[in-house]
Amino acid sequence: GESVGLHLPTLSVQEGDNSIINCAYSNSASDYFIWYKQESGKGPQFIIDIRSNMDKRQGQRVTVLLNKTVKHLSLQIAATQPGDSAVYFCADHRFSGNTPLVFGKGTRLSVIA
Amino acid sequence: DARVTQTPRHKVTEMGQEVTMRCQPILGHNTVFWYRQTMMQGLELLAYFRNRAPLDDSGMPKDRFSAEMPDATLATLKIQPSEPRDSAVYFCASGLRRGLAGGESSYNEQFFGPGTRLTVL
Repeated sequence: GESVGLHLPTLSVQEGDNSIINCAYSNSASDYFIWYKQESGKGPQFIIDIRSNMDKRQGQRVTVLLNKTVKHLSLQIAATQPGDSAVYFCADHRFSGNTPLVFGKGTRLSVIA
Repeated sequence: DARVTQTPRHKVTEMGQEVTMRCQPILGHNTVFWYRQTMMQGLELLAYFRNRAPLDDSGMPKDRFSAEMPDATLATLKIQPSEPRDSAVYFCASGLRRGLAGGESSYNEQFFGPGTRLTVL
């Protein structure tokens, strides 16, 4: 079936390095993608989103890249900080509009000081 | 600072007991979602409402789970009877579905509450 999935379940990076978290999706009709961050004991928190008519969007220290050809989404975090340690989820929104976001399993990012 | 609130934050109960979880969505949001999160399954959508009407509850075990929105400021998720396998963190999220001009699809950003950690013994 169609799903949103993640390539790596865990990622460890040195403080100050850049982090890249990847995500694959299978529904070519998906037109909206969101990255969420979930810290321990908290609910997911919106980080950044991107529409399918874009291939790159930048926020504060974060960049989302969308490659529709290979149905791949990535989240880049610049100068990773200890506060970035969390589980990151990608989610997509189906074109029909009446279906909700579908979340992937998540990638745990650990920042090594 | 508008946010989604959920009560209780923690609930420990015995198998067979009724559990009621409550959610107050962000004022003005027209869509409410209930999710369950476990280590094994991740985030699973249980049900969601738009303008208080249930749109999809196919993710819920119908025999024991029920979700309602008595009014625009309250959403409830009930489990009766509860079972140990229901132990999880239950999240409520709210959002505002906007239609965009020019025939574009609408978008559905969701704001999550802090969750209710349920333990069924």
